[in-house]
Amino acid sequence: GESVGLHLPTLSVQEGDNSIINCAYSNSASDYFIWYKQESGKGPQFIIDIRSNMDKRQGQRVTVLLNKTVKHLSLQIAATQPGDSAVYFCAENRPGAQKLVFGQGTRLTINP
Amino acid sequence: DTGVSQNPRHKITKRGQNVTFRCDPISEHNRLYWYRQTLGQGPEFLTYFQNEAQLEKSRLLSDRFSAERPKGSFSTLEIQRTEQGDSAMYLCASGRESGDTQYFGPGTRLTVL
Repeated sequence: GESVGLHLPTLSVQEGDNSIINCAYSNSASDYFIWYKQESGKGPQFIIDIRSNMDKRQGQRVTVLLNKTVKHLSLQIAATQPGDSAVYFCAENRPGAQKLVFGQGTRLTINP
Repeated sequence: DTGVSQNPRHKITKRGQNVTFRCDPISEHNRLYWYRQTLGQGPEFLTYFQNEAQLEKSRLLSDRFSAERPKGSFSTLEIQRTEQGDSAMYLCASGRESGDTQYFGPGTRLTVL
């Protein structure tokens, strides 16, 4: 399953399938990007990050892809599990700026 | 647990009352951030500290809001004369330095009646 960006905040996938969550970031000067997972009633949990000098980074079951040309970021989750159900946020950081700027978020629902 | 901690986790108050929240960052993290999150939205930056110095404040931080980090360790966020519009999740994050990963606490959910 794949989301088409900030205008589709919900993504439903079957357990075991791969998920792709997309994010369009706002500032071409941003040089650091983070994906967070947020479960209901909890704070955002760091998943994976990537700097602008890279276009791909892999973690355990997750991959982040960065396309600076079109200011697009994606999070791929392999073999989704029920515990992956959450809202996923991308966040960007600009050089010299201290704050993270968050996208709207995508709610990922795993169907059994 | 060596993560960011926040207290209380939930606070219900009546309009007009003052509330104070506490954040304990990951030890040795110099930077501490406060964000606010409303339902269905991503966190929005409020302010941040480098050690004990408050170096940036968002326009979201009205005069009723004040934050401190007196010894460069824990921080407090106080809201005076609370309004219903202040109802939100208040998140604290910490990081080592500029451009470093920010790690979030569990948040304090404020409900103003």
